[in-house]
Amino acid sequence: KAGVTQTPRYLIKTRGQQVTLSCSPISGHRSVSWYQQTPGQGLQFLFEYFSETQRNKGNFPGRFSGRQFSNSRSEMNVSTLELGDSALYLCASSRDPSRQGNSGNTIYFGEGSWLTVV
Amino acid sequence: GENVEQHPSTLSVQEGDSAVIKCTYSDSASNYFPWYKQELGKRPQLIIDIRSNVGEKKDQRIAVTLNKTAKHFSLHITETQPEDSAVYFCAAENTGNQFYFGTGTSLTVIP
Repeated sequence: KAGVTQTPRYLIKTRGQQVTLSCSPISGHRSVSWYQQTPGQGLQFLFEYFSETQRNKGNFPGRFSGRQFSNSRSEMNVSTLELGDSALYLCASSRDPSRQGNSGNTIYFGEGSWLTVV
Repeated sequence: GENVEQHPSTLSVQEGDSAVIKCTYSDSASNYFPWYKQELGKRPQLIIDIRSNVGEKKDQRIAVTLNKTAKHFSLHITETQPEDSAVYFCAAENTGNQFYFGTGTSLTVIP
Protein backbone atom coordinates (compact mmCIF):
# COMPACT_ATOMS: atom_id res chain seq x y z
CA LYS A 1 0.00 0.00 0.00
CA ALA A 2 1.53 3.28 -1.07
CA GLY A 3 2.21 5.84 1.62
CA VAL A 4 1.43 9.52 1.66
CA THR A 5 2.97 11.15 -1.40
CA GLN A 6 3.97 14.78 -1.58
CA THR A 7 5.15 16.81 -4.56
CA PRO A 8 7.37 18.57 -5.21
CA ARG A 9 10.00 17.40 -2.74
CA TYR A 10 12.19 20.48 -3.06
CA LEU A 11 11.57 23.94 -4.40
CA ILE A 12 13.04 27.39 -4.27
CA LYS A 13 10.88 30.47 -4.62
CA THR A 14 11.42 34.21 -4.50
CA ARG A 15 9.83 36.52 -1.99
CA GLY A 16 6.42 37.67 -3.16
CA GLN A 17 5.78 34.61 -5.30
CA GLN A 18 3.21 31.97 -4.55
CA VAL A 19 3.58 28.22 -4.27
CA THR A 20 1.28 25.21 -4.47
CA LEU A 21 2.13 21.91 -2.79
CA SER A 22 0.35 18.66 -3.47
CA CYS A 23 -0.46 15.68 -1.29
CA SER A 24 -1.92 12.28 -2.15
CA PRO A 25 -3.10 10.42 0.95
CA ILE A 26 -2.92 6.73 1.62
CA SER A 27 -5.62 4.91 -0.30
CA GLY A 28 -8.81 4.85 1.77
CA HIS A 29 -7.78 7.75 3.97
CA ARG A 30 -10.24 10.61 3.84
CA SER A 31 -8.58 13.16 6.07
CA VAL A 32 -5.57 15.21 5.08
CA SER A 33 -3.80 17.62 7.39
CA TRP A 34 -0.87 19.93 6.77
CA TYR A 35 1.96 20.93 9.08
CA GLN A 36 4.82 23.37 8.88
CA GLN A 37 8.09 22.17 10.40
CA THR A 38 10.88 24.57 11.28
CA PRO A 39 13.91 23.98 13.53
CA GLY A 40 12.77 26.33 16.25
CA GLN A 41 9.01 25.77 16.17
CA GLY A 42 8.65 22.06 15.69
CA LEU A 43 5.48 20.85 13.97
CA GLN A 44 2.89 23.57 13.59
CA PHE A 45 -0.61 22.61 12.48
CA LEU A 46 -1.86 24.46 9.41
CA PHE A 47 -5.24 22.93 8.58
CA GLU A 48 -7.12 19.70 8.12
CA TYR A 49 -9.50 18.67 5.35
CA PHE A 50 -12.09 15.95 5.32
CA SER A 51 -14.58 15.31 2.52
CA GLU A 52 -13.44 18.44 0.70
CA THR A 53 -14.20 20.61 3.73
CA GLN A 54 -11.77 22.37 6.01
CA ARG A 55 -12.51 21.00 9.46
CA ASN A 56 -9.74 22.50 11.56
CA LYS A 57 -7.44 25.44 11.11
CA GLY A 58 -4.28 26.47 12.89
CA ASN A 59 -3.00 29.95 13.65
CA PHE A 60 -1.51 30.90 10.31
CA PRO A 61 -2.25 34.01 8.24
CA GLY A 62 -4.68 33.96 5.36
CA ARG A 63 -1.78 33.66 2.92
CA PHE A 64 -1.87 29.97 3.73
CA SER A 65 -4.79 28.15 2.18
CA GLY A 66 -5.69 24.69 1.07
CA ARG A 67 -8.27 22.54 -0.53
CA GLN A 68 -9.21 18.91 -0.92
CA PHE A 69 -10.55 17.19 -3.98
CA SER A 70 -13.18 14.50 -4.27
CA ASN A 71 -10.47 11.82 -4.48
CA SER A 72 -9.08 13.06 -1.12
CA ARG A 73 -5.97 14.53 -2.71
CA SER A 74 -5.11 17.89 -1.23
CA GLU A 75 -3.20 20.99 -2.16
CA MET A 76 -1.95 23.84 -0.06
CA ASN A 77 -1.08 27.25 -1.37
CA VAL A 78 1.03 30.01 0.09
CA SER A 79 0.73 33.41 -1.53
CA THR A 80 3.04 36.40 -1.24
CA LEU A 81 5.87 34.30 0.09
CA GLU A 82 8.05 35.64 2.88
CA LEU A 83 11.52 34.53 3.93
CA GLY A 84 10.02 33.11 7.13
CA ASP A 85 7.91 30.69 5.12
CA SER A 86 11.02 28.63 4.41
CA ALA A 87 10.27 25.30 6.03
CA LEU A 88 9.45 21.65 5.53
CA TYR A 89 5.75 21.27 4.79
CA LEU A 90 4.40 17.93 5.86
CA CYS A 91 1.16 16.37 4.82
CA ALA A 92 -0.47 13.65 6.89
CA SER A 93 -3.43 11.43 6.22
CA SER A 94 -5.73 9.41 8.42
CA ARG A 95 -8.57 7.02 7.87
CA ASP A 96 -11.64 8.32 9.56
CA PRO A 97 -11.69 11.48 11.58
CA SER A 98 -15.46 11.53 11.33
CA ARG A 99 -15.50 9.57 14.58
CA GLN A 100 -15.79 12.87 16.34
CA GLY A 101 -14.77 12.54 19.92
CA ASN A 102 -13.29 9.11 19.37
CA SER A 103 -9.57 9.18 19.69
CA GLY A 104 -6.88 7.07 18.20
CA ASN A 105 -7.09 8.42 14.71
CA THR A 106 -3.52 7.64 13.73
CA ILE A 107 -1.99 10.01 11.23
CA TYR A 108 0.71 9.05 8.75
CA PHE A 109 3.12 11.57 7.32
CA GLY A 110 4.50 12.08 3.85
CA GLU A 111 8.15 12.85 3.19
CA GLY A 112 7.40 16.54 2.98
CA SER A 113 8.09 19.40 0.63
CA TRP A 114 11.16 21.49 1.39
CA LEU A 115 10.42 25.10 0.54
CA THR A 116 13.17 27.70 0.45
CA VAL A 117 12.22 31.33 -0.04
CA VAL A 118 15.03 33.62 -1.19
CA GLY B 1 -6.67 25.14 22.82
CA GLU B 2 -4.27 22.37 23.68
CA ASN B 3 -0.65 23.09 24.57
CA VAL B 4 1.94 20.31 24.56
CA GLU B 5 5.32 20.84 26.18
CA GLN B 6 8.19 18.42 25.65
CA HIS B 7 11.44 18.00 27.58
CA PRO B 8 14.32 17.79 27.18
CA SER B 9 15.01 19.41 23.82
CA THR B 10 18.26 17.46 23.48
CA LEU B 11 19.36 14.24 25.10
CA SER B 12 22.62 12.30 24.84
CA VAL B 13 22.98 8.82 26.26
CA GLN B 14 25.57 6.08 26.09
CA GLU B 15 24.67 3.04 24.04
CA GLY B 16 22.88 0.54 26.24
CA ASP B 17 21.55 3.15 28.65
CA SER B 18 17.92 4.21 28.90
CA ALA B 19 16.39 7.41 27.56
CA VAL B 20 13.29 9.13 28.88
CA ILE B 21 11.39 11.94 27.18
CA LYS B 22 8.54 13.70 28.94
CA CYS B 23 5.54 15.64 27.69
CA THR B 24 2.77 17.54 29.39
CA TYR B 25 -0.54 18.63 27.93
CA SER B 26 -3.10 21.17 29.01
CA ASP B 27 -6.45 19.94 27.68
CA SER B 28 -7.85 17.29 29.98
CA ALA B 29 -10.19 16.19 27.18
CA SER B 30 -7.27 15.05 25.00
CA ASN B 31 -7.41 11.30 24.84
CA TYR B 32 -4.88 9.94 22.37
CA PHE B 33 -1.12 10.37 22.61
CA PRO B 34 1.16 9.14 19.82
CA TRP B 35 4.94 9.36 19.63
CA TYR B 36 6.78 9.92 16.37
CA LYS B 37 10.41 9.35 15.45
CA GLN B 38 11.96 11.47 12.74
CA GLU B 39 15.35 10.55 11.35
CA LEU B 40 17.35 13.20 9.55
CA GLY B 41 15.74 14.12 6.26
CA LYS B 42 12.90 11.63 6.67
CA ARG B 43 9.24 11.72 7.57
CA PRO B 44 8.00 11.43 11.16
CA GLN B 45 7.00 7.84 11.79
CA LEU B 46 4.71 6.54 14.48
CA ILE B 47 6.59 4.37 16.96
CA ILE B 48 4.09 3.89 19.76
CA ASP B 49 0.83 5.38 20.98
CA ILE B 50 -1.38 5.25 24.03
CA ARG B 51 -5.04 5.94 24.64
CA SER B 52 -6.41 7.67 27.69
CA ASN B 53 -7.95 4.52 29.14
CA VAL B 54 -4.52 2.88 29.41
CA GLY B 55 -1.74 3.77 31.82
CA GLU B 56 1.18 2.04 30.15
CA LYS B 57 2.02 0.37 26.87
CA LYS B 58 5.16 -1.45 25.87
CA ASP B 59 6.59 -2.58 22.54
CA GLN B 60 9.95 -4.32 22.86
CA ARG B 61 12.45 -1.66 23.97
CA ILE B 62 9.94 1.17 23.83
CA ALA B 63 7.32 2.00 26.41
CA VAL B 64 4.96 4.87 27.01
CA THR B 65 3.31 5.83 30.29
CA LEU B 66 0.36 8.14 30.79
CA ASN B 67 -0.73 9.95 33.94
CA LYS B 68 -4.10 11.51 33.17
CA THR B 69 -4.43 13.18 36.53
CA ALA B 70 -1.14 15.01 36.14
CA LYS B 71 -1.63 15.39 32.38
CA HIS B 72 1.74 14.06 31.42
CA PHE B 73 3.06 11.16 29.39
CA SER B 74 6.53 9.82 28.82
CA LEU B 75 8.49 7.78 26.32
CA HIS B 76 10.99 5.28 27.65
CA ILE B 77 13.62 3.65 25.46
CA THR B 78 15.70 0.94 27.07
CA GLU B 79 18.98 -0.57 25.89
CA THR B 80 19.47 2.29 23.46
CA GLN B 81 21.25 1.67 20.17
CA PRO B 82 22.88 4.10 17.72
CA GLU B 83 19.95 3.68 15.34
CA ASP B 84 17.69 5.16 18.01
CA SER B 85 19.35 8.51 17.33
CA ALA B 86 16.65 10.79 15.90
CA VAL B 87 14.22 13.52 16.83
CA TYR B 88 11.23 12.33 18.81
CA PHE B 89 7.90 14.16 18.91
CA CYS B 90 5.05 13.64 21.29
CA ALA B 91 1.51 14.64 20.36
CA ALA B 92 -1.92 14.92 21.88
CA GLU B 93 -5.18 14.57 20.00
CA ASN B 94 -8.17 16.50 21.28
CA THR B 95 -11.83 15.64 20.85
CA GLY B 96 -11.86 17.69 17.65
CA ASN B 97 -9.44 15.20 16.12
CA GLN B 98 -6.76 17.87 15.99
CA PHE B 99 -3.19 16.98 16.89
CA TYR B 100 -0.86 19.20 18.88
CA PHE B 101 2.83 18.36 18.81
CA GLY B 102 5.64 18.97 21.22
CA THR B 103 8.72 20.80 19.98
CA GLY B 104 10.76 17.63 19.70
CA THR B 105 13.68 15.98 21.48
CA SER B 106 16.90 15.34 19.62
CA LEU B 107 18.25 12.05 20.95
CA THR B 108 21.87 11.08 20.35
CA VAL B 109 23.05 7.61 21.31
CA ILE B 110 26.81 7.55 21.71
CA PRO B 111 28.42 4.24 20.70
